[in-house]
Amino acid sequence: GIQVEQSPPDLILQEGANSTLRCNFSDSVNNLQWFHQNPWGQLINLFYIPSGTKQNGRLSATTVATERYSLLYISSSQTTDSGVYFCAVTREKLVFGKGTKLTVNP
Amino acid sequence: DGGITQSPKYLFRKEGQNVTLSCEQNLNHDAMYWYRQDPGQGLRLIYYSQIVNDFQKGDIAEGYSVSREKKESFPLTVTSAQKNPTAFYLCASSSGRAGELFFGEGSRLTVL
Repeated sequence: GIQVEQSPPDLILQEGANSTLRCNFSDSVNNLQWFHQNPWGQLINLFYIPSGTKQNGRLSATTVATERYSLLYISSSQTTDSGVYFCAVTREKLVFGKGTKLTVNP
Repeated sequence: DGGITQSPKYLFRKEGQNVTLSCEQNLNHDAMYWYRQDPGQGLRLIYYSQIVNDFQKGDIAEGYSVSREKKESFPLTVTSAQKNPTAFYLCASSSGRAGELFFGEGSRLTVL
């Protein structure tokens, strides 16, 4: 089945810093989503982005489907950005990566 | 407001008891899913349903059962056959197999 790898596994930032999270996948996909899991466990949709670039406030995402990767950019990070970021892709079924744990310190 | 409602948020049960977790959605989505998450881990698929009265096993279906009698509802029963039931359970739905996935707030089950 398709493999999804996220990097880095852990990331610690100071408030105000920028960061880039990466999601690599091993085969062509029908869609790709980014989620943020907050400290209370809820998964929040960030982007539904099978290809191209989208922006939402301080966050943006780019998926290059032909090269099988997606990037999530977080600018001017805030403590509320802390949590785990998951990417998930769909081919025959939805497959999640293992996530990047982000800690933003004040 | 449209969304997915899971209940209860927290549940404690004695070993050997079956428990049922509720999941209701008013997004008019055809597909619904149950995931399990253990501390510090990713999400693993338990069961999914793409249409009423039909459901499929996911990667870790043993010890779990589901039903899909209504489009809006997809309850999960954690049976006594599940060896390690203590976990965080997440329900999700999408408009189709490749559609955008939306999650409920989760149910945290602790078996004593």
